[in-house]
Amino acid sequence: AQRVTQPEKLLSVFKGAPVELKCNYSYSGSPELFWYVQYSRQRLQLLLRHISRESIKGFTADLNKGETSFHLKKPFAQEEDSAMYYCALRHNSGGSNYKLTFGKGTLLTVNP
Amino acid sequence: EAGVTQFPSHSVIEKGQTVTLRCDPISGHDNLYWYRRVMGKEIKFLLHFVKESKQDESGMPNNRFLAERTGGTYSTLKVQPAELEDSGVYFCASSRGQIQYFGAGTRLSVL
Repeated sequence: AQRVTQPEKLLSVFKGAPVELKCNYSYSGSPELFWYVQYSRQRLQLLLRHISRESIKGFTADLNKGETSFHLKKPFAQEEDSAMYYCALRHNSGGSNYKLTFGKGTLLTVNP
Repeated sequence: EAGVTQFPSHSVIEKGQTVTLRCDPISGHDNLYWYRRVMGKEIKFLLHFVKESKQDESGMPNNRFLAERTGGTYSTLKVQPAELEDSGVYFCASSRGQIQYFGAGTRLSVL
């Protein structure tokens, strides 16, 4: 069965420090991975997806199929990065069903 | 462009009562998804509509939950009768393709 694991419930760093939010997955097929972010009092929004291989707000994430990981990284954290981050996997079940399996989320706090 | 709208934002009901949650997707989005997050757990898929048809309802917890999307526009999720374990945040998302856009969620508290 598919599963997404985010081992850290809470992560606290200082402004300017590097940050890495871990995500591991288990999936029998070829997965598509996403990072969603929820800032305080805002809705869940897409941060980035692995197939686009882009950097958003300074964040990057590389899919490592050997380690089944999709860790989110940023070299210099900013206070406005404080938010809840969810790693999600899309099932490649065919058709138009793109249901997502989420991890439990990591609450990132960037201290001044 | 208006985003996904969910109503109400918060509902407090007593065990045994009925509650109906509503989701208005982004205009033109055929795909509509319901998810929920109960306390301490991950966000879990409930079901998926393509227009007015249920494509996948494998995540619906039991028959106390009924989702509809008449006319392929807005969707409702009814819980009848509500139980304590139904408390949580219910999210709706819509998409035209692969990217899902989420609503702000409805926080349901069953007392």
